[in-house]
Amino acid sequence: DADVTQTPRNRITKTGKRIMLECSQTKGHDRMYWYRQDPGLGLRLIYYSFDVKDINKGEISDGYSVSRQAQAKFSLSLESAIPNQTALYFCATSDRTDTQYFGPGTRLTVL
Amino acid sequence: AQSVTQLDSQVPVFEEAPVELRCNYSSSVSVYLFWYVQYPNQGLQLLLKYLSGSTLVKGINGFEAEFNKSQTSFHLRKPSVHISDTAEYFCAVSESRRSNDYKLSFGAGTTVTVRA
Repeated sequence: DADVTQTPRNRITKTGKRIMLECSQTKGHDRMYWYRQDPGLGLRLIYYSFDVKDINKGEISDGYSVSRQAQAKFSLSLESAIPNQTALYFCATSDRTDTQYFGPGTRLTVL
Repeated sequence: AQSVTQLDSQVPVFEEAPVELRCNYSSSVSVYLFWYVQYPNQGLQLLLKYLSGSTLVKGINGFEAEFNKSQTSFHLRKPSVHISDTAEYFCAVSESRRSNDYKLSFGAGTTVTVRA
């Protein structure tokens, strides 16, 4: 079984809809992250969490929110999706050397 | 501010030829350095990392990278590529690892296409 799983893997939605992307991990790491990937821009950090009670904004948090339900679960929400949030979204965990372990990604399309 | 520059966005290369992917960063403090690979329709996976010690780092699949502090570079090399090395490669730099001041930046990526 994969160490970091994401659901759904693909999602098409309409402008204004609320969307939740879920991430689970079995690596036992305290640290979890949400990134978005856009062509030519690499990965940009949306939110990160160093433990269940610690949530921090990343580089591009506007329009997003997160919830850390447990050590193993970290979900990302788009309260009112807009077309420029169309992207590939990755969840990751890390150990204390910052080595990132990525999930398979969620391809989100906002029409 | 920290930034990561991958100097080549596309690198075409013939099978069994060598390849070098260039990465430069700007930081005035001690950093951790990483290269990740993303195969088509997959997530990213770690190729190699530099945390401290020897500046020549060996990774998976025959890749290696050299940390050059004076030139603030961390270039990735492989002496002989295979078709299966076709992928996108990302350089990443971690500058601060504190909860309230976390900084891990990724470059824009280099697409390597290996041709027979």
